[in-house]
Amino acid sequence: QVQLQESGPGLVKPSETLSLTCIVSGYSISSGYYWGLIRQPPGKGLEWIGSIYHTGTTYYNPSLKSRLTMSVDTSKNQFSLKLTSVTAADTAVYYCARSGYSGYDWGGEFDYWGQGTLVTVSP
Amino acid sequence: DIQMTQSPSAPSASVGDRVTITCRASQTIYTYLNWYQQKPGKAPKLLIYGASSLQSGVPSRFSGSKSGTDFTLTISSLQPEDFATYYCQQTYTSPHTFGQGTTVEI
Repeated sequence: QVQLQESGPGLVKPSETLSLTCIVSGYSISSGYYWGLIRQPPGKGLEWIGSIYHTGTTYYNPSLKSRLTMSVDTSKNQFSLKLTSVTAADTAVYYCARSGYSGYDWGGEFDYWGQGTLVTVSP
Repeated sequence: DIQMTQSPSAPSASVGDRVTITCRASQTIYTYLNWYQQKPGKAPKLLIYGASSLQSGVPSRFSGSKSGTDFTLTISSLQPEDFATYYCQQTYTSPHTFGQGTTVEI
């Protein structure tokens, strides 16, 4: 059974960097699939942040690209996000998820999700 | 970016009803469309991928279809556990955008 667990700071100050790690169990990242991050501001809808292939190839939402870095560590079976210069608009529940291959040129459906972690940006 | 617009925004329904939720893409996305269900405080759950393929373990009362750039999620007989928010997502081109969500309420 594939499981994902988000590990994040809970609270980040404005202008600082948000760092979040997704720990994967039940499946080896190096075996394949894309691994993604999605966020949901309180009371609002879902926003795709970015995805990373097991080889390290990244795909970013253009709206966040200038502030976003994703990486994968196959030895620890985890992938990570760094989002710089955060503001209150970055306050959200952040989800890790596995993405299949049903997309047109990369990625696809998110079939396994973590439980999510709330990250609040506040002084 | 491709815009995904869902309707209705919040349909009222009763147990046993047939419920239809529509998602319209701002341009053609062929069948690169997924549907998710989200309950309060929980992560989304994949229901349908590729516009009409039922995810393993999802009840057969859920189905998906496509007509042009319009996609439909149908619940054939609404059950108490189906009251939730439903999202569509296109995976034709990056960014893989979601619809704004449709909450099915009693």
